Amino acid sequence: EIVMTQSPATLSVSPGDRATLSCRASQSVSSNLAWYQQKPGQAPRLLVYGASVRATGIPARFSGSGSGTEFTLTISSLQSEDFAVYYCQQYHNWPPLFTFGPGTKVDIK
Amino acid sequence: EVQLVESGGGLIQPGGSLRVSCAASGFAFSNYAMSWVRQAPGKGLEWVSVIHGSGGSRYYADSVKGRFTVSRDNSRNTLYLQIHSLRAEDTAIYYCAKAATPYDILVYFDYWGQGTLVTVSS
Repeated sequence: EIVMTQSPATLSVSPGDRATLSCRASQSVSSNLAWYQQKPGQAPRLLVYGASVRATGIPARFSGSGSGTEFTLTISSLQSEDFAVYYCQQYHNWPPLFTFGPGTKVDIK
Repeated sequence: EVQLVESGGGLIQPGGSLRVSCAASGFAFSNYAMSWVRQAPGKGLEWVSVIHGSGGSRYYADSVKGRFTVSRDNSRNTLYLQIHSLRAEDTAIYYCAKAATPYDILVYFDYWGQGTLVTVSS
């Protein structure tokens, strides 16, 4: 099983600042990595897939990078609506055994 | 517009069984794999199961294998998850999620339902 880890667990950021979230896979997942945002009481929302492709309707301030085992989600200038929990997910191994990271909570500094 | 609406959650005693459903609309349901993902209160996301669009292939997380059964009725555009021998640790919101591309099963999820809460307690 591929284990996903995320750091930091919590990131305190001021509005307008840049946030950098990390995700690591226990073995290579190539570029088969997605990022989701979840706000309290809501379902997750797809932000990025293929490690770096923004999903439809996602603002340009969100960007993903990386491949293999190391990935980053960057929010260039945090807006109030961006304070949420962010999860990475791999969809690489066969048979399908999708795994999520434990999440990074981005809160207001 | 894609819509996924879960139902069937509730309070169940340990050892009991339950079937949760996900009604889909706004896309060609039979062409897309569908997954169940759960989230225990205050915890992260845990993928539970996936079923191919045809219903022919099904896969499960090790934590639920043997107790959970995923199925679908493409004539009713509905996804199901049958849960047996419920345990306290199965308490969670159960989300259905749609594969982003047709015909593939190993795909990220582009739409999620709002979830249905299953609480296992005596």
